[in-house]
Amino acid sequence: GESVGLHLPTLSVQEGDNSIINCAYSNSASDYFIWYKQESGKGPQFIIDIRSNMDKRQGQRVTVLLNKTVKHLSLQIAATQPGDSAVYFCAESSSGGSYIPTFGRGTSLIVHP
Amino acid sequence: GAVVSQHPSWVICKSGTSVKIECRSLDFQATTMFWYRQFPKQSLMLMATSNEGSKATYEQGVEKDKFLINHASLTLSTLTVTSAHPEDSSFYICSAIPAYSNYNEQFFGPGTRLTVL
Repeated sequence: GESVGLHLPTLSVQEGDNSIINCAYSNSASDYFIWYKQESGKGPQFIIDIRSNMDKRQGQRVTVLLNKTVKHLSLQIAATQPGDSAVYFCAESSSGGSYIPTFGRGTSLIVHP
Repeated sequence: GAVVSQHPSWVICKSGTSVKIECRSLDFQATTMFWYRQFPKQSLMLMATSNEGSKATYEQGVEKDKFLINHASLTLSTLTVTSAHPEDSSFYICSAIPAYSNYNEQFFGPGTRLTVL
């Protein structure tokens, strides 16, 4: 896996719209994935996780989709609210790596009221 | 449950001084804690893995003599930035894995903003 220190891509949406944040991972051996939300000046907060034996998992207003064939992960947020504005990171890990996660570059979500 | 705290939340120091940052797991025991640094608008970069009772494992490019890590108990790890310089200014975040976790789920602290003048 890789964690690249580049400037963050930004997704701007209107309040009430659905948001889709994408993440490409690099390690085909990764079998555990987590989405984190990080608000400005705070530490990351766990949102939802998914194991590699699943391709979809739903939480409250959030859905994570996993496509292992193309090593792609997405986070869908339904009825996006201004409080959802934050940076979202995906993280991949594997049993071979003791489940120490590698963080993706992150996406900044901006929700306009 | 699974709350991690950091102290201080922010610190400003003069160049050449040392700064200690504490990471505590408040309601669980953590055999493993991690230290990350994060520059503005960038991702988290793992600095080191801290294991209770043993030496920390540092990532490539991280100076172990510069960033001293001590994990003396199952609920406390400290990061000391020695002889800090302006380029060490960053957001430092710790995380902890509960001893009961099967998938090493990490819980993150709120971060410490270090500014070196």
